[in-house]
Amino acid sequence: GDSVTQTEGQVALSEEDFLTIHCNYSASGYPALFWYVQYPGEGPQFLFRASRDKEKGSSRGFEATYNKEATSFHLQKASVQESDSAVYYCALTGPGYNKLTFGKGTVLLVSP
Amino acid sequence: EAAVTQSPRNKVAVTGGKVTLSCNQTNNHNNMYWYRQDTGHGLRLIHYSYGAGSTEKGDIPDGYKASRPSQENFSLILELATPSQTSVYFCASGDAGGRGEVFFGKGTRLTVV
Repeated sequence: GDSVTQTEGQVALSEEDFLTIHCNYSASGYPALFWYVQYPGEGPQFLFRASRDKEKGSSRGFEATYNKEATSFHLQKASVQESDSAVYYCALTGPGYNKLTFGKGTVLLVSP
Repeated sequence: EAAVTQSPRNKVAVTGGKVTLSCNQTNNHNNMYWYRQDTGHGLRLIHYSYGAGSTEKGDIPDGYKASRPSQENFSLILELATPSQTSVYFCASGDAGGRGEVFFGKGTRLTVV
């Protein structure tokens, strides 16, 4: 079945550092790819999506580019802030957008 | 603003007891989902529904049932709760028109003792 692999379980950075969280996927067909973010005490919330090869998704300074050849969708941000501390989930869905499959999540800790 | 409301927010249940987790959405979305969240596993899909009267098995359905009596409501039922079902459960809603964007509730923390 479809699966999503996030390499880092936890990332610890200082404010203004550059962020990369790695996401690779395995899926039949041509999935849509997503990043979701979860703050403490809340449910995950949609960050952005990309639906085709080489498409860049972005929101709130975060971005990721769909790479079909590498089966990747890595999350990046040029300069993180303490308020970015949260859990980040990479996810995919197949045709029809009916079922989201999530990775295991990456905890981002940003210190001032 | 899309709204998904879960109840209860916290629940302590005894092993072997029956537990029902409820979810209500006011988004008029066709699809609803139940996920559980565990450290080291992330979010795993238990059951989902395409509309009133339908339920589908997700990736980890064993030990769980689901019920979708109406567009707005989707319940998760643990007939015989076990300690391994101690977790945080999230309900979500979405539809194909949203191109995969789903809206989550705040979660229910279930402890089975």
